Amino acid sequence: EAQLVESGGGLVQPGRSLRLSCAASGFIFDDKAMHWVRLAPGKGLEWVSGISSNSGTTGYADSVKGRFTISRDNAKNSLYLQMNSLRVEDTAVYYCANSPLTTVVRGYFHHWGQGTLVTVSS
Amino acid sequence: QSALTQPASVSGSPGQSITISCTGTSSDVGGYNYVSWYQQHPGKAPKLVIYDVSKRPSGVSNRFSGSKSGNTASLSIAGLQAEDEATYYCTAYSSSSPWVFGGGTTLTVL
Repeated sequence: EAQLVESGGGLVQPGRSLRLSCAASGFIFDDKAMHWVRLAPGKGLEWVSGISSNSGTTGYADSVKGRFTISRDNAKNSLYLQMNSLRVEDTAVYYCANSPLTTVVRGYFHHWGQGTLVTVSS
Repeated sequence: QSALTQPASVSGSPGQSITISCTGTSSDVGGYNYVSWYQQHPGKAPKLVIYDVSKRPSGVSNRFSGSKSGNTASLSIAGLQAEDEATYYCTAYSSSSPWVFGGGTTLTVL
């Protein structure tokens, strides 16, 4: 069965950087697009970023464009999210999720990790 | 404000049926059959319950069903059980985003 385990969250000051990781197992990682979705306190789910199976296509929400970078290492079955210039409003639980397809567009969020909490505060 | 509109809360008694709506536009819900629904219990990861408007993943109870009419998608739960109490989110592929979520609906089983 598919398993996704996020790590790298923590407390960080505004303006600083953080890198999240997601370790995947139980499915053919290099055959699936991957996504990051976040849940901020008191708010609903928000799609953050996605990457195609071969890293050829990436997409970002307007709220993080230019500050966050998604990447993957298919040899290590791992997904990453480099978060720069963090803001208080980036505080959230960050989930990684896989797609049933190779492409970022279309499909759905099939399996989810348990999430990692990122707190941006001075 | 979320791109897709869901009621903030719905409630029902055990055994009853409820429906949660998800309203978007012709650029998302109405334009593509990539509407999916997720169940999230407090402190837990979201779980896929419906994909491609009306398909049910393996292992999800057949009490869950999905449909779409125009720019509005719906999730129905029949024979409510206590374990169904959770927050439900819809999401849809969007030509402009590419993914948009609803604000979530809290289901209370009375």
